[in-house]
This record gives sequence, C-alpha cells and structure tokens, in this order.
Amino acid sequence: ETGVTQTPRHLVMGMTNKKSLKCEQHLGHNAMYWYKQSAKKPLELMFVYSLEERVENNSVPSRFSPECPNSSHLFLHLHTLQPEDSALYLCASSQDPSTGSDTQYFGPGTRLTVL
Amino acid sequence: GQNIDQPTEMTATEGAIVQINCTYQTSGFNGLFWYQQHAGEAPTFLSYNVLDGLEEKGRFSSFLSRSKGYSYLLLKELQMKDSASYLCAVRDSNYQLIWGAGTKLIIKP
Repeated sequence: ETGVTQTPRHLVMGMTNKKSLKCEQHLGHNAMYWYKQSAKKPLELMFVYSLEERVENNSVPSRFSPECPNSSHLFLHLHTLQPEDSALYLCASSQDPSTGSDTQYFGPGTRLTVL
Repeated sequence: GQNIDQPTEMTATEGAIVQINCTYQTSGFNGLFWYQQHAGEAPTFLSYNVLDGLEEKGRFSSFLSRSKGYSYLLLKELQMKDSASYLCAVRDSNYQLIWGAGTKLIIKP
C-alpha cells in the first residue's frame, strides 16, 4: 500500500463510451500525475497538477481530459477512445516537483481495454 | 533527444547476484531513481542517487557515475520475490523525470 489508490482497477470500454478514472492520495502531497504505461515502453507522462493547477500537458489527445478538484483527488475523463489507448494508466503523487530528490509514489493503476 | 537505456530482460538464479545497468543522455541531471514494479502492481521507489558512488540499502545497492552517464542496481542474495521489472528514471535540468522502458528480471530456482 503506497498511499495512492486508483479506481477502477480494470476497465473495458467501447470507442463511443465515456468513463472516468479516479485517483486519491493520502500522503498530503502537493502534486499529482497521470502516466500511461504500455508494454515495453517508457512511462509516458500525460498530465501534472501542482497545488491543483495544471502545470504539464504533454501533447495528449483531447479525448483525455484531467480534473483536479483538490490536492488529494485526480480524475481522468475518457471519451471516444481508440484501441491504441489500451494501456495501464498510473496515477502518482509527490511533495514538490521542483526539487531534485522529489519522489513520486504510484497507485496500482487502471488496466484499460478499448474495444 | 533525451534517452535512457536499460536491458529489456535479464535472468538470474535464486541466491545469486545480478547487476542491472542504466545509461542515460539527458539535458542536465538532477538525480537518478530506481523503481521496482511487480506485474500488475504499482512501481515502488527503491533508491535515489545524485552524487557519484555506491548507495547500499540491505540487499539492494545503487551506483552512479555522472561523468559516464551510467548507473546500476545491484541485487544480492536473490529471492523469488525479486522477480519484477526495474525502472530507471533521470530527473533533467527542468526537473522532468525521463523514464527507461524497464528491465524485466526473471529469477529461476
């Protein structure tokens, strides 16, 4: 248990569906992240929120829409996804992304399959 | 561009020692991280190196050479539970984390 929880753990959706992934951190951190993890590829950073303000958006398609209502919760809203979006979506949190030693703590991920 | 290289897969025997290498080319350097990720689980933090040399934590040690752009993770007295992927990540001059693709370590009895 890392102090970061994610729901659901598994999700199967059609290309026309709308769904949301939820992340909650219990560590009192100030920053939260969404990553995409595909087999045999490096983690891809999607979004970063620091103090509830989005500070990073790495050219992610608009079919992915993040929301950070407070420093403990992070959502990823999904709509009109493509089969190539099937992957493990990881949430992470950290204390201060502007320091070198800042360590990210990850949730268990949501395994997403798009049919 | 920025790049992290690590072997895709390694195999070792229970009770033995294994060294997982990581080489990097990044825009600046603000530290290197190693994470462990068991299949279907969250990556968990193992170590952070920012100065050259060896850091030891029980059975796991991590080494850094900044001049060579090189690090390794050394696992001693291997146990079956050490079967996992090991991720190397470097924090660059903009404090971005650049990730390697991970090394899948298979432990055989």
